[in-house]
Amino acid sequence: DIQMTQSPSSVSASVGDRVAITCRASQGIRTWLAWYQQKPGRAPKLLIYDASTLQSGVPSRFSGSGSGTDFTLTISSLQPEDFATYYCLQADSFPLTFGGGTKVEI
Amino acid sequence: QVQLQQSGPGLVKPSQTLSLTCAISGDSVSSSGAAWNWIRQSPWRGLEWLGRTYYRPGWSYDYAVSVKSRISINADTSKNQFSLHLNFVTPEDTAVYYCVRATAAGLLDYWGQGALVTVSS
Repeated sequence: DIQMTQSPSSVSASVGDRVAITCRASQGIRTWLAWYQQKPGRAPKLLIYDASTLQSGVPSRFSGSGSGTDFTLTISSLQPEDFATYYCLQADSFPLTFGGGTKVEI
Repeated sequence: QVQLQQSGPGLVKPSQTLSLTCAISGDSVSSSGAAWNWIRQSPWRGLEWLGRTYYRPGWSYDYAVSVKSRISINADTSKNQFSLHLNFVTPEDTAVYYCVRATAAGLLDYWGQGALVTVSS
C-alpha cells in the first residue's frame, strides 16, 4: 500500500496568515492526489484534485502543487471558515490511502 | 446534484454483521462513469477506504485487504442504492462510515452524511 505522510499534524494560525500543508507519498503517484477539508461532524469536502485543480466552488485562496511524491496545499490568506482538518488522498492505486490529517487551529 | 443518503443501525453486537445502505439521487448506481465506495473513519485508523463496486458493464468489486475476508458491497439497481455488509465485527470496527461516489478517474467527489456505528455488547 502507498503510505501518505502529512505534516504538520497541527498548525496554529491567525486570520490572514498563509498556511502550507505538505503530503509525501511513499512512492510516486504522478499527480493522482486530492485534498479534502473536514469540519467536526461533517463529511470531508473535496478542495483540489489532480494535485492542483480547484474543485468548482472552492475559493481561489486554496491552491495545490506537486507531483511524484511531494505535494503542498496552500491557503494564501486564512479565513475564519478555514479552521478545520485537512487530508490528502492518493488515487494512483488501490487501496486508496489518506494522510493522517492536519488540524488548522486558531 | 448528486446526493447520498445513508441508513442503518448505529449499534451492532460483537461477532454480528454491520449493514449500511446508501441511497443515490442525481446519478445511477449502474452508471459507467462512477464507482461506489465505502470509507470509514476512526481515531485509531484515520480515514480508511474499505471497498467499492462499479458497473462497466458487469459488476466489479474491489476490497481492502484488511477487511477482504469479511466484507461485501452490493448494488440494488431497482432501488438505486448500494450496501455494505461487514461480518464478524469487533469493537475495532467502531467508526463513522461514509458512502462515497468516485468518478471514472477515481476522484472521490460526493460523500454521504456519515453514520456512526458502535460495536458493543
